[in-house]
Amino acid sequence: GAVVSQHPSRVICKSGTSVKIECRSLDFQATTMFWYRQFPKQSLMLMATSNEGSKATYEQGVEKDKFLINHASLTLSTLTVTSAHPEDSSFYICSASAGGSSPLHFGNGTRLTVT
Amino acid sequence: GEDVEQSLFLSVREGDSSVINCTYTDSSSTYLYWYKQEPGAGLQLLTYIFSNMDMKQDQRLTVLLNKKDKHLSLRIADTQTGDSAIYFCAESIRWPGNTGKLIFGQGTTLQVKP
Repeated sequence: GAVVSQHPSRVICKSGTSVKIECRSLDFQATTMFWYRQFPKQSLMLMATSNEGSKATYEQGVEKDKFLINHASLTLSTLTVTSAHPEDSSFYICSASAGGSSPLHFGNGTRLTVT
Repeated sequence: GEDVEQSLFLSVREGDSSVINCTYTDSSSTYLYWYKQEPGAGLQLLTYIFSNMDMKQDQRLTVLLNKKDKHLSLRIADTQTGDSAIYFCAESIRWPGNTGKLIFGQGTTLQVKP
């Protein structure tokens, strides 16, 4: 079945530094990938839609300069949390679809802790 | 607007059936999904149903869709302790050129007691 790989699974960084999270589709090409954020005991909040070869589309309230998204190939999207602050600590999950009516498949998430 | 609602908690005994319910508001949904999330992990796609279907069965999982009432349910037969997790219902919203944007419910925590 479709596999989405997300790295790293866990990262701890200091305030002010930047962190890059990778999302790869391993056995299919993903023209579109999605980035979600999940707070403890809460549902997933869509942050942005990553489109291969074009700019990402951000949801209302998500700072595009803080959460940089790059979708350079059909199998890789990256989310960079710039100048991280403790309030950015969260669980970030990516998902990918082969497009059309194909269902979404999710990575295993990245637990970010900013100290 | 778009909204997906789920009950927050369900407790069953091992071997019983579990039924997790979900309601949604957008009648233009194309696919409705059930995902499972174990602690500290991402989401695992369990099953999905297209909006023109009423029922889909896959081994121990049965999905029922009542379009009139905008009600979706997931039945897990012979529930095992390994089924303990959070279950998310999600709908895909028609979006020009992209059917992958999902709206998630709050998640139902399923607790399976031995």
